[in-house]
Amino acid sequence: GNSVTQMEGPVTLSEEAFLTINCTYTATGYPSLFWYVQYPGEGLQLLLKATKADDKGSNKGFEATYRKETTSFHLEKGSVQVSDSAVYFCALSAGGNKLVFGAGTILRVKS
Amino acid sequence: GAVVSQHPSRVICKSGTSVKIECRSLDFQATTMFWYRQFPKQSLMLMATSNEGSKATYEQGVEKDKFLINHASLTLSTLTVTSAHPEDSSFYICSARAGLAADTQYFGPGTRLTVL
Repeated sequence: GNSVTQMEGPVTLSEEAFLTINCTYTATGYPSLFWYVQYPGEGLQLLLKATKADDKGSNKGFEATYRKETTSFHLEKGSVQVSDSAVYFCALSAGGNKLVFGAGTILRVKS
Repeated sequence: GAVVSQHPSRVICKSGTSVKIECRSLDFQATTMFWYRQFPKQSLMLMATSNEGSKATYEQGVEKDKFLINHASLTLSTLTVTSAHPEDSSFYICSARAGLAADTQYFGPGTRLTVL
């Protein structure tokens, strides 16, 4: 079946550090890939997405590239801020409207 | 725009009682809402898909008689956990879909259920 695996957290970084959160997937067909972010006390929000191989999704300084050969969709940001502290979820949608989520990665950014 | 609320945010109940959780789309109409369950350090697991005016579609392994879903209007879906037991303690999250694509789902902040 379809599944998403992402790196365990928490990830703790200093402000302005480089961020990578790894995400790999297993799916039949050609899924769409997403990153969602959940700030404390709020619902999940779509951060970025990519719908086909080699697409790069980007938003708010975050980027992720759909790599079909490695079945990966790693999230990166060149310089994190304290306000980026949140839980990040990698997800896929394959052939339907349902989302399959990874376990989430807590990011803590210290000033 | 596209705000989804859940009520209550936290609930503690005794074993054997029933608990109702509401999910509302505040500024859009949602023909489809989804209910998820999240265990600590685990991913969101889809429990059921709720369509306005029709019966919910439950995922494999989810007891439909235990988790009653009602989607009576385009802005409200409810999840009732019947005869709750401690193993039902979890974080329940709803989402409402504004369009046809998967990424048009907007999520509520979740409800923490604790069954004593």
